[in-house]
Amino acid sequence: AQSVTQLGSHVSVSEGALVLLRCNYSSSVPPYLFWYVQYPNQGLQLLLKYTSAATLVKGINGFEAEFKKSETSFHLTKPSAHMSDAAEYFCAALSSNTGKLIFGQGTTLQVKP
Amino acid sequence: DVKVTQSSRYLVKRTGEKVFLECVQDMDHENMFWYRQDPGLGLRLIYFSYDVKMKEKGDIPEGYSVSREKKERFSLILESASTNQTSMYLCASSQQPPGLYGYTFGSGTRLTVV
Repeated sequence: AQSVTQLGSHVSVSEGALVLLRCNYSSSVPPYLFWYVQYPNQGLQLLLKYTSAATLVKGINGFEAEFKKSETSFHLTKPSAHMSDAAEYFCAALSSNTGKLIFGQGTTLQVKP
Repeated sequence: DVKVTQSSRYLVKRTGEKVFLECVQDMDHENMFWYRQDPGLGLRLIYFSYDVKMKEKGDIPEGYSVSREKKERFSLILESASTNQTSMYLCASSQQPPGLYGYTFGSGTRLTVV
């Protein structure tokens, strides 16, 4: 069965530091991959998506993600963290079997002043 | 922009009550979904629908039912609310096929059953 694994349920960085949130997927076919962000007491908002065009995908709020087929990874990065980036982040992949999104467990990003 | 609107942000209900959570989308999306979100468990799919009057069980359908009488509206029904259904409920919609565009989520309904 296809799966999405986010390494680290909590990540803490200092303001201005690099943000790296890890996501690995299992898939036998080229995937569609997504990153979502959820601010407290809000729904999920699409950050970016990979749909087999460029391997480096740029999203909103300065985030980007790189698709690496050899590593089955789709890690999310941002060069310099802002306090406003504190939120929960979800990686998701489209299941080729069911046609539905499979979500990772989420990573909570804490940004320290 | 696509909007998915959930009728209530916060809801408090009593054990045994029948509870309706409403979700409306305004972009003619074929697919609609209901998830619940709990700390440490991520998002779990309750039910989804690919078309009007069509519904499919997700991973945790027990204690829930759904209704989709119109394309834009997808209702989640808790037949007899219990305290273990206290949770954040998220509605989402997507075009067909969903892979190109992902899902659009509503703002969520935080339900407390007392």
